[in-house]
Amino acid sequence: NAGVTQTPKFQVLKTGQSMTLQCAQDMNHNSMYWYRQDPGMGLRLIYYSASEGTTDKGEVPNGYNVSRLNKREFSLRLESAAPSQTSVYFCATPDVLNTEAFFGQGTRLTVV
Amino acid sequence: EDQVTQSPEALRLQEGESSSLNCSYTVSGLRGLFWYRQDPGKGPEFLFTLYSAGEEKEKERLKATLTKKESFLHITAPKPEDSATYLCAVQAPGGFKTIFGAGTRLFVKA
Repeated sequence: NAGVTQTPKFQVLKTGQSMTLQCAQDMNHNSMYWYRQDPGMGLRLIYYSASEGTTDKGEVPNGYNVSRLNKREFSLRLESAAPSQTSVYFCATPDVLNTEAFFGQGTRLTVV
Repeated sequence: EDQVTQSPEALRLQEGESSSLNCSYTVSGLRGLFWYRQDPGKGPEFLFTLYSAGEEKEKERLKATLTKKESFLHITAPKPEDSATYLCAVQAPGGFKTIFGAGTRLFVKA
């Protein structure tokens, strides 16, 4: 079992370019999350999906969109990348009782 | 406002030198407090969940404790492989939003 798989692992974008970060989980969990991690700050929630077909904004949703494609996949899209979106992005899925979360390896995104 | 503060930001220990990491939190109605370990270039890895004041959990050289305002991660006789960033997080009622602290970077020298 792979757990939570994120692609790509690294990406460099120019300001104004768009891209989609992919996340897939094989744990059959209902909920999936997207976080960003910046130096000196905690993980901040961008969007989450409590179940297939639903998505909700987190703490820092501006500049992002998400799609819960099916139970396994949850993608994060940057329509027009900005330098402020330079960060490490993590996808996570909590277990059924929300007692622990499983994280992907992260996507390191640089916007120049 | 729900908030999590971790201290110190960084901690350097000699192998075998025990110490504690602190996590102070303010949240209305704690549903759970989590500790994660994060190695460089990797995603956080779950360690513990604590639910109520007085609760303690142990795993190898790590012990997590919880009071009404803070949690401690005690590291007993650390080894170099314990070097990592330790993240604390709290979950408020509703269950879907977890607030993370900035983490404590632990360095253990042989």
